Amino acid sequence: QSVLTQPPSASGTPGQRVTISCSGSSSNIGSNYVYWYQQLPGTAPKLLIYRNNQRPSGVPDRFSGSKSGTSASLAISGLRSEDEADYYCAAWDDSLSGHWVFGGGTKLTVL
Amino acid sequence: QVQLQESGPGLVKPSQTLSLTCTVSGGSISSGSYYWSWIRQPAGKGLEWIGRIYTSGSTNYNPSLKSRVTISVDTSKNQFSLKLSSVTAADTAVYYCARDTGSAPFDYWGQGTLVTVSS
Repeated sequence: QSVLTQPPSASGTPGQRVTISCSGSSSNIGSNYVYWYQQLPGTAPKLLIYRNNQRPSGVPDRFSGSKSGTSASLAISGLRSEDEADYYCAAWDDSLSGHWVFGGGTKLTVL
Repeated sequence: QVQLQESGPGLVKPSQTLSLTCTVSGGSISSGSYYWSWIRQPAGKGLEWIGRIYTSGSTNYNPSLKSRVTISVDTSKNQFSLKLSSVTAADTAVYYCARDTGSAPFDYWGQGTLVTVSS
């Protein structure tokens, strides 16, 4: 049972826009930044979004992040076949001396 | 370009201690304001943060694993290490090491190493 809640799956067709939600609480998302990671099959995760809505160099602007209250979302526009991957949200949790928490992950399928 | 590489036994017996090392190349482990983290992923499941260490030696651990985890750093070898005691089959996972910056945590990852707990 992950501290952050994500839907287990999402899907879309090429060119579509899809969103993935991440729900937390006041001790994590509600008071700290949200981060998103993309994990392609058989590889290590890759930082996709940092500080709620910032993209590292090299990440296409098709990927965007947002946060409101204790929830966050990752949006992917102009969906492409290579976007098929697992996506994870993460946030620092201030409880119990502080620790990182992840969502359970969302498997994105490009139909 | 920073690179991280995990190393250690791929098979550990139940009740024993799992020990892994992460070697950092392409930069000094003690330069910059970085934490160095361990993260694991059981097959087909999500990511679980294990803990992190700052180059000063200060640590933070996942509360659910804290009683069994020790993370240490050896700046002379540009390495940091993980020890997880009293392992069970539930500790079988791919273990990753990652850099944890203040603004962009886990921006660099190792390739991961599979550790199986079995007799």
